[in-house]
Amino acid sequence: AQTVTQSQPEMSVQEAETVTLSCTYDTSESNYYLFWYKQPPSRQMILVIRQEAYKQQNATENRFSVNFQKAAKSFSLKISDSQLGDTAMYFCAFLFESTDKLIFGTGTRLQVFP
Amino acid sequence: DAGVTQSPTHLIKTRGQQVTLRCSPKSGHDTVSWYQQALGQGPQFIFQYYEEEERQRGNFPDRFSGHQFPNYSSELNVNALLLGDSALYLCASSLAVGQGPREQYFGPGTRLTVT
Repeated sequence: AQTVTQSQPEMSVQEAETVTLSCTYDTSESNYYLFWYKQPPSRQMILVIRQEAYKQQNATENRFSVNFQKAAKSFSLKISDSQLGDTAMYFCAFLFESTDKLIFGTGTRLQVFP
Repeated sequence: DAGVTQSPTHLIKTRGQQVTLRCSPKSGHDTVSWYQQALGQGPQFIFQYYEEEERQRGNFPDRFSGHQFPNYSSELNVNALLLGDSALYLCASSLAVGQGPREQYFGPGTRLTVT
């Protein structure tokens, strides 16, 4: 089965601090892509960061970075210098080259407080 | 650069009725995927359209159908609505496989309530 597990239903962090959201997945495929999406209360699903499974280098986008451990099938998201606008649901997802459909986890609700 | 748009924003229907949701992809994208997001859950893949044909389908009944037009916009139709169809319906657009980065951009969604 191809599944994504986010074991932290809720997390909180103080503004300007760093937080890490966890994600593990299960697949026997070798060619796939991993994503973190953010969904604020406005409901718009926003792409935060993308990682190609064939790349060893971890992706970085400004304050967002990932720790991709392919052998362990782990894909965590680190948010540095947290801002109030980072408050949202965060979904981990992966996509296979062969099927081109996203498979999502259940999400982690992140609250950033002043 | 126009992003993905969806209409309507909200919709209330009665059990047994039929509904049509609409989506316009991001400029330059030719592939449209539809997802259903129940409250408190992650989105579930419904189906994907490319070149006006359904390319693949998730585990949804035939009551869910769709269409893609020559301008790449798409519709999602749901017949014989059930209470369980109440959800946020998300449309995502992307480039065809082999034509660019494998990433999907989402619209703001349509909130469907079935009473």
